[in-house]
Amino acid sequence: DTEVTQTPKHLVMGMTNKKSLKCEQHMGHRAMYWYKQKAKKPPELMFVYSYEKLSINESVPSRFSPECPNSSLLNLHLHALQPEDSALYLCASSQTAGGLVDTGELFFGEGSRLTVL
Amino acid sequence: AQTVTQSQPEMSVQEAETVTLSCTYDTSESDYYLFWYKQPPSRQMILVIRQEAYKQQNATENRFSVNFQKAAKSFSLKISDSQLGDAAMYFCAHHSGGGADGLTFGKGTHLIIQP
Repeated sequence: DTEVTQTPKHLVMGMTNKKSLKCEQHMGHRAMYWYKQKAKKPPELMFVYSYEKLSINESVPSRFSPECPNSSLLNLHLHALQPEDSALYLCASSQTAGGLVDTGELFFGEGSRLTVL
Repeated sequence: AQTVTQSQPEMSVQEAETVTLSCTYDTSESDYYLFWYKQPPSRQMILVIRQEAYKQQNATENRFSVNFQKAAKSFSLKISDSQLGDAAMYFCAHHSGGGADGLTFGKGTHLIIQP
């Protein structure tokens, strides 16, 4: 299984709603990532979890709250978002364990398209 | 800090022709990895090709090959026999190795395939 699965594929929410994006991988990867991507732009790193611990937070506003319940799952909790937060949210994973060479190669999911009204 | 520069926002090529996408990068590391990712309109980022900096031989994957010039810090992607399915955004990316800190991406090149 070489897939990263993201749900939902599309999400529309109001500025007062609370919703969550979910990501799952079963490749045994120990690093998982959230990226935000605007149209025709490169992905922007938001958070990195390494061995289920938050290792990087790229100064993301607190209305985005990541969670890593176990090594296979990654969530992004959304609350009180702004219209400018509308974007494609990409989850990715990478192998970084057991003495294996960490090439940094990321395996991406299909993304969750978020629209904030 | 690493930077990755893609100077071609958009490229167009006739089907079956060859096209080269350029990428330069800046790093102080001696050991690193370089990637080309493809993102079609379906939006999933797909790895096209990977190059290890310590390997002098240019990586090749079927119709895709790179020209890796380490001294010049250049990493171009050549697509031979272009096909309609090659139409996508192409991102060049760099990883310094040694930790889970994500990739540094270039701004991307939008590749259009003319039938």
